[in-house]
Formats: sequence, C-alpha cells, structure tokens
Amino acid sequence: NAGVTQTPKFQVLKTGQSMTLQCAQDMNHEYMSWYRQDPGMGLRLIHYSVGAGITDQGEVPNGYNVSRSTTEDFPLRLLSAAPSQTSVYFCASSYPGQGYGYTFGSGTRLTVV
Amino acid sequence: GEDVEQSLFLSVREGDSSVINCTYTDSSSTYLYWYKQEPGAGLQLLTYIFSNMDMKQDQRLTVLLNKKDKHLSLRIADTQTGDSAIYFCAERNSGNTPLVFGKGTRLSVIA
Repeated sequence: NAGVTQTPKFQVLKTGQSMTLQCAQDMNHEYMSWYRQDPGMGLRLIHYSVGAGITDQGEVPNGYNVSRSTTEDFPLRLLSAAPSQTSVYFCASSYPGQGYGYTFGSGTRLTVV
Repeated sequence: GEDVEQSLFLSVREGDSSVINCTYTDSSSTYLYWYKQEPGAGLQLLTYIFSNMDMKQDQRLTVLLNKKDKHLSLRIADTQTGDSAIYFCAERNSGNTPLVFGKGTRLSVIA
C-alpha cells in the first residue's frame, strides 16, 4: 500500500542508548519531516528535508540527527536517549509546491527509562 | 515565528453541529489545513483551503477563512460519535516550508 511506513511501532530504551527510527515513503514525495507529539504540546517539528541530500532543523532538533540519502527514506537517530525524549514520533511527507498537506505515518511510541 | 492557536476541548451532542476554531499569526500563510487524529493513530488530512478562498464545503465539512482576522473554522454538520477525535489546524506559507500545527482540539461527541 502506498504511504508512509514507520518502524518500529513501539520501543523502550534505556537512558543513554542510541537508536534509529525508520521512515520510508513510496509516493516519490520530495518533502519529508519528523514531528514529536507530547500531551498538551501538539506537534513539534524536529527536522525536515526538501529533497535527497538536504536537511534542516525544526523547532526541537537537539538530541536528534537525520540524513536523507534517498528520496524514499528519512531516518531519525537518537544519539543518547533521555527520558525527555519519551514521546510519539511521526514522520510525514508531501510533494513540494502543492497545497495538499502531508501524508503521515502511523507513529512510533518511544519510552526512555 | 508563526503561531497557531486552538481551544483544547469541545463537547457536543450527537446530531448537533460542531464548530472548531483556529487563529494564526502568519499573514503570509498560503495554505491552511484541518487534520483529524483518532486514538492511537497518525494524522489524517480532512480538508484544506487556499488563502484566496473564503469558504470550502466537502460533504459534512465546511471550512471558513477570515483572512483579515486570521481566523479559520471547521464546521462538522450532524456530528456523529465517530467524529470524536483530536482536530488539528495547520498552516503553511509555501510548498517547501514545514507545516505549523496548533495544539489540537479534542472533540467529544455525547450520544
């Protein structure tokens, strides 16, 4: 099925561990982004990319790295997990220049203990 | 920077109309969106409106845009229990800039 695929759906990490949240889309969307969703905070942008090889920081980039080596994939790396990174993470993609909004993945629920 | 504000909660009776309001600060916003999030799921695009429009209707959904007041609303006619969800307003001022989201309005529909 066409869309945005996020893996894993659930993850528990210990403080200080690192991991990569995967995001892949098969719609040939050039624009991809990562958000985190916390209660009462809405969606906050972590990083985004307007095309392969191009990334930029969002509102809350600290503690996260991204890369965009292909159009399809946009992984999010947690360098050294902290309890403050406990959240639900959403990846989204869209065509640039069109006003149709994003297609969202189903999310990764991350708990850091 | 840009800001998008929404009330956090709305409760309506089944069969009534729901109106969810949103205000935004970026006067150059070009595209405005409404997303729906059901429990445990990602966000689903409901509808959108371009800034050169005042109104858009799509079945039970009506979007009204007042550019002068930077106010956007989503009206759901004949609200059903399946409409219970969190509704997010979002704005974008070009095709390559990130969406800026409000904090979401939790709609509860009482049978």
